[in-house]
Amino acid sequence: QQQVKQSPQSLIVQKGGISIINCAYENTAFDYFPWYQQFPGKGPALLIAIRPDVSEKKEGRFTISFNKSAKQFSLHIMDSQPGDSATYFCAAILKTYQTGANNLFFGTGTRLTVIP
Amino acid sequence: ETGVTQTPRHLVMGMTNKKSLKCEQHLGHNAMYWYKQSAKKPLELMFVYSLEERVENNSVPSRFSPECPNSSHLFLHLHTLQPEDSALYLCASSQDPGDYTNEQFFGPGTRLTVL
Repeated sequence: QQQVKQSPQSLIVQKGGISIINCAYENTAFDYFPWYQQFPGKGPALLIAIRPDVSEKKEGRFTISFNKSAKQFSLHIMDSQPGDSATYFCAAILKTYQTGANNLFFGTGTRLTVIP
Repeated sequence: ETGVTQTPRHLVMGMTNKKSLKCEQHLGHNAMYWYKQSAKKPLELMFVYSLEERVENNSVPSRFSPECPNSSHLFLHLHTLQPEDSALYLCASSQDPGDYTNEQFFGPGTRLTVL
C-alpha cells in the first residue's frame, strides 16, 4: 500500500507560471514532510520541508501548503523557470523512529517541465 | 556536489554475475542508506546503517548483500540478480538516523541493468 500519493505524474508549465504538485497521506503518525528535487543524472536533494503544525512555509519561490485535516500538502513553485525542470518527490516521515521499521516514505514523483 | 559519491555510475551485468556497488560520503555523517529507484515507483529504502551497524533491512532479497566497513563507506554486493532488479540504486547519508528531521544527502546513483 502506497503511504504517500502524489499527483500529477507529469506537469508542463510555461515560464513565469505557477507549478503545483499535490500529495496526500493517510497515516496521522507522519510528523515531517520534506520535498526533494531531482535533476537528471543526480540524486534527490532536499528542497523544503514542513511540520504539520504549520499551514504554510515559504522559501524563495517555493511554498509548501499544508492541510492537516485533509491530510494533504502541496508544493507551489512561483514564477517557474526552465531551470526548475526536474522531478519532484514529496515524502513523509514518521514521528517515532522504530528500529527495524521504515520511517521515511516517498511519493512516486512528478516530472516538471518548464517551457521557455 | 552533495559530498556523497557512488561508483560505478553505470553497470550492466548478466544474471549469473557478481558485482559490487560502492558509496563513499565525505560529510562526517553517522548513517548511510541504500535506496532503489524504479520508474513510476516510490523510492524504496533497502538498508540503513548507523555507525556501521545495520539497523534496518526492509525485506530485501538475499541476492542483495550490504557491507559497511566504516562510517564513510558503504557497499552493495550483487549476485544472481533478476532483470526486474534493473533500476537506479541510490546511496544517501545523514547525521543521525534517530532524528527524523535529519536531511538525507544523496549520491548520483548507479544505473544498473541486468540482462
